[in-house]
Amino acid sequence: IAGITQAPTSQILAAGRRMTLRCTQDMRHNAMYWYRQDLGLGLRLIHYSNTAGTTGKGEVPDGYSVSRANTDDFPLTLASAVPSQTSVYFCASSDDIGRVNEQFFGPGTRLTVL
Amino acid sequence: GQNIDQPTEMTATEGAIVQINCTYQTSGFNGLFWYQQHAGEAPTFLSYNVLDGLEEKGRFSSFLSRSKGYSYLLLKELQMKDSASYLCAPFDGSYQLTFGKGTKLSVIP
Repeated sequence: IAGITQAPTSQILAAGRRMTLRCTQDMRHNAMYWYRQDLGLGLRLIHYSNTAGTTGKGEVPDGYSVSRANTDDFPLTLASAVPSQTSVYFCASSDDIGRVNEQFFGPGTRLTVL
Repeated sequence: GQNIDQPTEMTATEGAIVQINCTYQTSGFNGLFWYQQHAGEAPTFLSYNVLDGLEEKGRFSSFLSRSKGYSYLLLKELQMKDSASYLCAPFDGSYQLTFGKGTKLSVIP
């Protein structure tokens, strides 16, 4: 693994189903993030994690949950998917959330909720 | 709250220079990033400014004026591969990045 990986690449999901999007990084970055990107709305932060064991809410957290059991993994769960959660989801990581440093993005997961 | 404004679309000719402007209002400020995003791909880092002035990086330069809440990205010697969206992202007082909606740049022959 080099950088950040996300799985699945794309998914079609029936409304009401539970879904977990996976994100793994091998850069030993402390901070990780989940964004959704929608046409005309840009990238919006869903949840973030400063370090393993801590998480925080972003701009649009409703309907989503995250966990950070270790440094490398940051899964995003949709407990009961709704059509408005159709989007492209990007995971990102950065060395430290407390200072100016660039975020590295995964390739994205394209999710369609029907 | 955050308010970021950048043009939705721009078109420029191959070999030319283009300037993409960004104005922002944030709760605190710790720097500003520019990201490039090709269609269907992830955003990739281009540059960041913490202090006022111009940062040059090859064909790309970024300028920041903190007092005016203003930044621009300057792309020189445009190439077809520069066709992409360019995202302005200020770093606020809590060190969170907030992304603008992006400027879609089309480079034509």
